[in-house]
Amino acid sequence: DADVTQTPRNRITKTGKRIMLECSQTKGHDRMYWYRQDPGLGLRLIYYSFDVKDINKGEISDGYSVSRQAQAKFSLSLESAIPNQTALYFCATQLSGDQETQYFGPGTRLLVL
Amino acid sequence: QKEVEQDPGPLSVPEGAIVSLNCTYSNSAFQYFMWYRQYSRKGPELLMYTYSSGNKEDGRFTAQVDKSSKYISLFIRDSQPSDSATYLCAMSGGMIKAAGNKLTFGGGTRVLVKP
Repeated sequence: DADVTQTPRNRITKTGKRIMLECSQTKGHDRMYWYRQDPGLGLRLIYYSFDVKDINKGEISDGYSVSRQAQAKFSLSLESAIPNQTALYFCATQLSGDQETQYFGPGTRLLVL
Repeated sequence: QKEVEQDPGPLSVPEGAIVSLNCTYSNSAFQYFMWYRQYSRKGPELLMYTYSSGNKEDGRFTAQVDKSSKYISLFIRDSQPSDSATYLCAMSGGMIKAAGNKLTFGGGTRVLVKP
């Protein structure tokens, strides 16, 4: 969905490096989410934000941090990347009051060597 | 044990067949049930949602929820090669701030519809 963009789309990094994944949206949604997807495990929530000043940990936040720079931007950082953080990362947005629909970006494929 | 279980497949069917997908879950607090479709190298997109128990139909797609059995299904009639994708079920307990409207996903079922 072009309304939710993620950069980079692919990234290879080495163990111990700090990296940042960025998400931008033009939907005007207040809620934003970061998920990781691993084969057979579905999507698991890393962090979520209801607005710029409201950031919450998801079920697998260890080793990650986030920043909500503006309503439209939500960044995910890996402070010191490790190989088991190799995964597909998705950003999603949602309008508060819309119970069902989260809109996902195209994903970032991350490989940690 | 995972909170939401989904057979990973792959499920291979001939064009025109009915595709039957399902998920089981353990959390009785789930009230909203969704099916997302994910094409290769794309993000998931919402296909259908159902609130509480019951059936919902949208074109070739039918979603069913049986809360008493903690079991949800998605049926695709007259399947097309363009239906080839991974289908993920997702559930949530509703608009509770503490839960962050968190969606709990199944692992996804890969479907291949052969011409």
